Amino acid sequence: GAVVSQHPSWVICKSGTSVKIECRSLDFQATTMFWYRQFPKQSLMLMATSNEGSKATYEQGVEKDKFLINHASLTLSTLTVTSAHPEDSSFYICSAQGTAMSGYTFGSGTRLTVV
Amino acid sequence: GNSVTQMEGPVTLSEEAFLTINCTYTATGYPSLFWYVQYPGEGLQLLLKATKADDKGSNKGFEATYRKETTSFHLEKGSVQVSDSAVYFCALSGSDDKIIFGKGTRLHILP
Repeated sequence: GAVVSQHPSWVICKSGTSVKIECRSLDFQATTMFWYRQFPKQSLMLMATSNEGSKATYEQGVEKDKFLINHASLTLSTLTVTSAHPEDSSFYICSAQGTAMSGYTFGSGTRLTVV
Repeated sequence: GNSVTQMEGPVTLSEEAFLTINCTYTATGYPSLFWYVQYPGEGLQLLLKATKADDKGSNKGFEATYRKETTSFHLEKGSVQVSDSAVYFCALSGSDDKIIFGKGTRLHILP
């Protein structure tokens, strides 16, 4: 079945540095990818939707210059947290969809801790 | 490790029919359980949740009861509408706060 690989599964970085999270569809072409963020004990929050080859659509309140999303190919989308701060510490998870009629497959998530 | 298994779709029902989408889980400890919904063209939305055994989550006519003895969290609605057509995800969050999703169940409601 459809598999999405998300890497890294956890990362600790210093405040002010940038972190890149990758989301790869291993056995299908992902035309659309969603990036979510989850704060402890809370629900997922959609950050942005990206379609291959076009700019990501960000949800209201999400800083596009801070959370850079690139979906350059049909199998890879990346989320870069730039100039990370402790308040960016969270669990980030991606979801990929092939065709409009296919299902959604989630990555395993990335735990980011900024110190 | 923790895991979630939900019934495969698609599920097709007529309007006003009774809906059940099964979800079972495997987890250590006492996870929180969720149902999320994704409408066409949109991102995930939290539908309901339950944080301890025997809790019942409910929202928009949907209900699910946290059954520890059967490790289940089945989603039910007494009378579905066309607007309920979407993909439904069962999920759990364990002691590490990491959320794990089921594969999703696509629901089609016919008028």
